[in-house]
Amino acid sequence: NAGVTQTPKFRILKIGQSMTLQCTQDMNHNYMYWYRQDPGMGLKLIYYSVGAGITDKGEVPNGYNVSRSTTEDFPLRLELAAPSQTSVYFCASSYGTVGANVLTFGAGSRLTVL
Amino acid sequence: AQSVTQLDSHVSVSEGTPVLLRCNYSSSYSPSLFWYVQHPNKGLQLLLKYTSAATLVKGINGFEAEFKKSETSFHLTKPSAHMSDAAEYFCVVSDRMDSSYKLIFGSGTRLLVRP
Repeated sequence: NAGVTQTPKFRILKIGQSMTLQCTQDMNHNYMYWYRQDPGMGLKLIYYSVGAGITDKGEVPNGYNVSRSTTEDFPLRLELAAPSQTSVYFCASSYGTVGANVLTFGAGSRLTVL
Repeated sequence: AQSVTQLDSHVSVSEGTPVLLRCNYSSSYSPSLFWYVQHPNKGLQLLLKYTSAATLVKGINGFEAEFKKSETSFHLTKPSAHMSDAAEYFCVVSDRMDSSYKLIFGSGTRLLVRP
């Protein structure tokens, strides 16, 4: 049972480059999320999705885009990388809303922008 | 605004001694509260959650937490630390916004366990 799978685990980008962080879950969860984790800080929500074809902004969406064409996949796109986007990114999923439901997290993707 | 405060950024204990990780929250309604653990280079994993049932919640690996509404606290404890407990711990509150919810994460407490 794979759970939530993120790729790549590590990536170094130059300023202005673009890339996509991939996220796949095999638990048939409706809800999926992208968070970023900066040193000494809690996780901040970038974007989330409540089902295929539906996405919405979180707390820190600027500089990112997402899509949700299938239940399983929720890629995060960085169009013009900036040093402020250096962070660890976590994808997560849940069966229902976060009101009382547990999130299952991927192992994270560490991105450095130079 | 709702918030979560983890009172210690680092806690260091000796193996076999008790663990106390402190968390205070603010919420305008009856919240759901969670503790997640993050081992190095791993994703976050649920330790335990409180959802308005028993105020003393037992989790995995011998951890437990007590919801104290009067103190707005949800401290995490373990009677005897093990080397494998060394990790970062996050206190999380579920915040209602209109008809939806969002999670608010504390800034984390790094637990060091000395042999």
